[in-house]
Amino acid sequence: ILNVEQSPQSLHVQEGDSTNFTCSFPSSNFYALHWYRWETAKSPEALFVMTLNGDEKKKGRISATLNTKEGYSYLYIKGSQPEDSATYLCAFSTGAQKLVFGQGTRLTINP
Amino acid sequence: DAGITQSPRHKVTETGTPVTLRCHQTENHRYMYWYRQDPGHGLRLIHYSYGVKDTDKGEVSDGYSVSRSKTEDFLLTLESATSSQTSVYFCAISGSTEAFFGQGTRLTVV
Repeated sequence: ILNVEQSPQSLHVQEGDSTNFTCSFPSSNFYALHWYRWETAKSPEALFVMTLNGDEKKKGRISATLNTKEGYSYLYIKGSQPEDSATYLCAFSTGAQKLVFGQGTRLTINP
Repeated sequence: DAGITQSPRHKVTETGTPVTLRCHQTENHRYMYWYRQDPGHGLRLIHYSYGVKDTDKGEVSDGYSVSRSKTEDFLLTLESATSSQTSVYFCAISGSTEAFFGQGTRLTVV
């Protein structure tokens, strides 16, 4: 069974501060690493899909990096805003496209 | 928004009864997935499909079966529902890039 670990499980950040969290995944048989944003009572929405070692992706104040050799990815949020409050999920896939999710990092931004 | 719908959206059923959840897509994506979401566990894969009549088990497949007779439909069946299957169920579809999720089905087994 593929194991995807996210840390921390929950995080409280003051509005305006920057933050980051981690996704660890198996470094063998790597195909892609996905990040999703999941707001309460909604469906998860894709943020990034990364496939190459060293990939860096950015969308507004959110960015992500990927290290496939050591099996980790970081998600960064710069200047946190209340609307960034959500659960952030990462998912790992092998060539079979089977997505295996981590348990998520629940982010709360305090005004 | 990706064309993916789940039905029903909410269901309450009694222990021991069969239940079928439906996922329907209009995107012609090859891969379809069923996940369950429980507090402290994120999303856990139940079963997935990589084509018509081609399915495989995920990490929490016990007590569930699936069928995919058409590209657009992926059915999840609980043969005999138990209280431990009370959860929110998400269907997802994917092509070659990211996955798109349905709205979720909240299932309560009493």
